[in-house]
Amino acid sequence: EVQLVQSGAEVKKPGESLKISCKGSGYSFTRFWIGWVRQMPGKGLEWIGIIYPADSDTTYSPSFQGQVTISADKSINTAYLEWSSLKDSDTAMYYCARAGGADRAFDYWGQGALVTVSS
Amino acid sequence: DIQMTQSPSSLSASVGDRVTITCRASQSVNYYLNWYQQKPGKAPKLLTYAASSLESGVPSRFSGSGSGTDFTLTISSLQPEDFATYYCQQSHETPWTFGQGTKVE
Repeated sequence: EVQLVQSGAEVKKPGESLKISCKGSGYSFTRFWIGWVRQMPGKGLEWIGIIYPADSDTTYSPSFQGQVTISADKSINTAYLEWSSLKDSDTAMYYCARAGGADRAFDYWGQGALVTVSS
Repeated sequence: DIQMTQSPSSLSASVGDRVTITCRASQSVNYYLNWYQQKPGKAPKLLTYAASSLESGVPSRFSGSGSGTDFTLTISSLQPEDFATYYCQQSHETPWTFGQGTKVE
């Protein structure tokens, strides 16, 4: 069974750093892109970026370039989303998802990780 | 970036109704168009991919159509569990942008 399991909810202060994780299981982790999606409270879905775990090839949305870092450790089947200095506006639910197949649709999703940034 | 525009933003429907949601891309996305359903507090769920292919396990009352810039998601007979928000997404070129969502209530 394909599963993506994300790390738990986080409460941080502005300016702090954070790295959240997404662990894949039940499939060949290095063969599929992993994407990250943001959903701010009461809002829609926003595509942050994708990574190919086999070689860590990464593409960011221009809206998020320089604001976050996506990485992966293929030895432990885990992808990461990282902030070096959080802002209040980073408060959101963050999902990881697998892009399956040539059509690149997100066919499996993690359960989401709620990040709350507040002073 | 390719902009994805859904209409309507929300709609009111009853069980048994035929529901149609449209999605327009600012430039051609070929057939790289996906539809997701999201219920409150849950992760999105893939319904259709490549414009018209039904994801495994998704009921056949859901169907997708279109190509190029204009796409449609149709629910042939709305069921109680279908009240949710629906998003289109293009995966033709990065960033793989989403529409703003359509709430079915």
